[in-house]
Amino acid sequence: EAEVAQSPRYKITEKSQAVAFWCDPISGHATLYWYRQILGQGPELLVQFQDESVVDDSQLPKDRFSAERLKGVDSTLKIQPAELGDSAMYLCASRRARQVNEKLFFGSGTQLSVL
Amino acid sequence: GQQVMQIPQYQHVQEGEDFTTYCNSSTTLSNIQWYKQRPGGHPVFLIQLVKSGEVKKQKRLTFQFGEAKKNSSLHITATQTTDVGTYFCAGGTNFGNEKLTFGTGTRLTIIP
Repeated sequence: EAEVAQSPRYKITEKSQAVAFWCDPISGHATLYWYRQILGQGPELLVQFQDESVVDDSQLPKDRFSAERLKGVDSTLKIQPAELGDSAMYLCASRRARQVNEKLFFGSGTQLSVL
Repeated sequence: GQQVMQIPQYQHVQEGEDFTTYCNSSTTLSNIQWYKQRPGGHPVFLIQLVKSGEVKKQKRLTFQFGEAKKNSSLHITATQTTDVGTYFCAGGTNFGNEKLTFGTGTRLTIIP
């Protein structure tokens, strides 16, 4: 079965440094999401793409976070500068279409630790 | 904004006992999805409910969607060690932007 690919799997960085995460959704999936999951909590939406366009970034801390999906396929999430509170699992998910009744496919995530 | 709460936050059961988690939304939903996240893993889709009062079964798992489409439940009969993990509901809304909001999750541990 096709999977959502994410890298790196783990990232350790010092505060004030820049970090970047990469996601390659399932082929043909037009909708892509970045979620942040703090240990013991549910995934929190950061940004939603439809093809190459941002549909919802209302919860993205834009002073330090940025996301792009230039060709409407793979995507990059960047944090600059990283803060201690950014330590979390960053999950990428995709779905075939934007409709809310389509299921999400998640990648394995990037576990970020900021020291 | 929309909030989706789940109770309990944690549940420890003896193997073979039943387990139930409840999901409540602050707003009316268009649909609800359930996901399971194994320890160290990522959320995996289990099922979707769309209709008011809908009940669906998957082997030992029973899912319900409330009549008002603001709450849902997941019941597992005779738990097994393979049921260990965190169960999340995710409520969908169709108001301008199709959005899934995840609940706070219920972490299930099994005592063999």
